[in-house]
Amino acid sequence: ETGVTQTPRHLVMGMTNKKSLKCEQHLGHNAMYWYKQSAKKPLELMFVYSLEERVENNSVPSRFSPECPNSSHLFLHLHTLQPEDSALYLCASSQGLAGGQSEQYFGPGTRLTVT
Amino acid sequence: EDQVTQSPEALRLQEGESSSLNCSYTVSGLRGLFWYRQDPGKGPEFLFTLYSAGEEKEKERLKATLTKKESFLHITAPKPEDSATYLCAVSGSARQLTFGSGTQLTVLP
Repeated sequence: ETGVTQTPRHLVMGMTNKKSLKCEQHLGHNAMYWYKQSAKKPLELMFVYSLEERVENNSVPSRFSPECPNSSHLFLHLHTLQPEDSALYLCASSQGLAGGQSEQYFGPGTRLTVT
Repeated sequence: EDQVTQSPEALRLQEGESSSLNCSYTVSGLRGLFWYRQDPGKGPEFLFTLYSAGEEKEKERLKATLTKKESFLHITAPKPEDSATYLCAVSGSARQLTFGSGTQLTVLP
């Protein structure tokens, strides 16, 4: 595997379900990110991890819970989601934090549909 | 608050018809301006980073330029495979990337 991988690629879940998204980066980077991409809207930063420590939480609802067990893996745990949470969820990684001069590399995303 | 505005929202070109995409930005202490390409259902693909006004970078048919207020992505003699959404983002003192809404480019054969 190369670059940034995400699983699953597609997920349909009911509002009472609990599921997790997984991201793995094979680039040796030390920062990882979760973004939400909704139709016709800019990418929204959800969470940032640097050296396995969460740096920022941009007021994301508590029904989204991130976990970063090491510098290569990132999870997003989902529970009691709402239909408006349906979107493409993107994982990214970089060498150094955003706000610096390092570009981010993105995974292919997980297309989430909440029914 | 950092802001990024991209125009036009959508652009249709004939194959070989050169054009430019615009990214206007306001940022406190620009650290970098980034261009990405995104194909439908996929994650953004990194294209360029520009750090200071006057800087230019090229890759195949694409050339990115930067001024103190905006960046342009010039597409020379585009081909249908250049069809995608092009995203612009800035990093500044906010310590996070701020993205624009993108320009959806369609190149017709």
